[in-house]
Amino acid sequence: KAGVTQTPRYLIKTRGQQVTLSCSPISGHRSVSWYQQTPGQGLQFLFEYFSETQRNKGNFPGRFSGRQFSNSRSEMNVSTLELGDSALYLCASSARRERGVLNEQFFGPGTRLTVL
Amino acid sequence: DAKTTQPPSMDCAEGRAANLPCNHSTISGNEYVYWYRQIHSQGPQYIIHGLKNNETNEMASLIITEDRKSSTLILPHATLRDTAVYYCIVRGRNTDKLIFGTGTRLQVFP
Repeated sequence: KAGVTQTPRYLIKTRGQQVTLSCSPISGHRSVSWYQQTPGQGLQFLFEYFSETQRNKGNFPGRFSGRQFSNSRSEMNVSTLELGDSALYLCASSARRERGVLNEQFFGPGTRLTVL
Repeated sequence: DAKTTQPPSMDCAEGRAANLPCNHSTISGNEYVYWYRQIHSQGPQYIIHGLKNNETNEMASLIITEDRKSSTLILPHATLRDTAVYYCIVRGRNTDKLIFGTGTRLQVFP
């Protein structure tokens, strides 16, 4: 079974631009979460999606947004990029089917975004 | 969200057991203890989780104290490939949201 895939793997943008990152979960997984990892702040939760609905959102400005499609694939968008948005963006999927049922999360390799 | 406290770094000789402690004194009754590890610049990898009983799988063992305020991850025979940052996380039952702390950087040496 293929793992979580993220595209692109590397990206360079300039301040003020916007960027869209893509995540394809493991086949059959309906829950997708996004995380940002920086040397200063570590791993921070961004969003959680389940069946196209955002279930949780981390403490990030409105420039960060996301969505999930009917095939469970997810995208996140960052508008008006700032230097501090340079980070590794990680996506994780799980086979979670209903509330109260725990499932392990599988992380993708991440997208490394550099903002110049 | 419950917070966890871990030592910033630990060393372990190859072939010996690595015991990684974690404090989670504010954990609530329906929260689980999860362990993940991250090898340099890769996505975190799930290791093990537990509620109140000790757990063991092919990768590690998890020992949770009776009061659930702390736990220990045990890698029984550490190898050089176990060098990574290990994160102890307290997770609620109704969410996939993981709150990562600073973790423990485990260095396994020959």
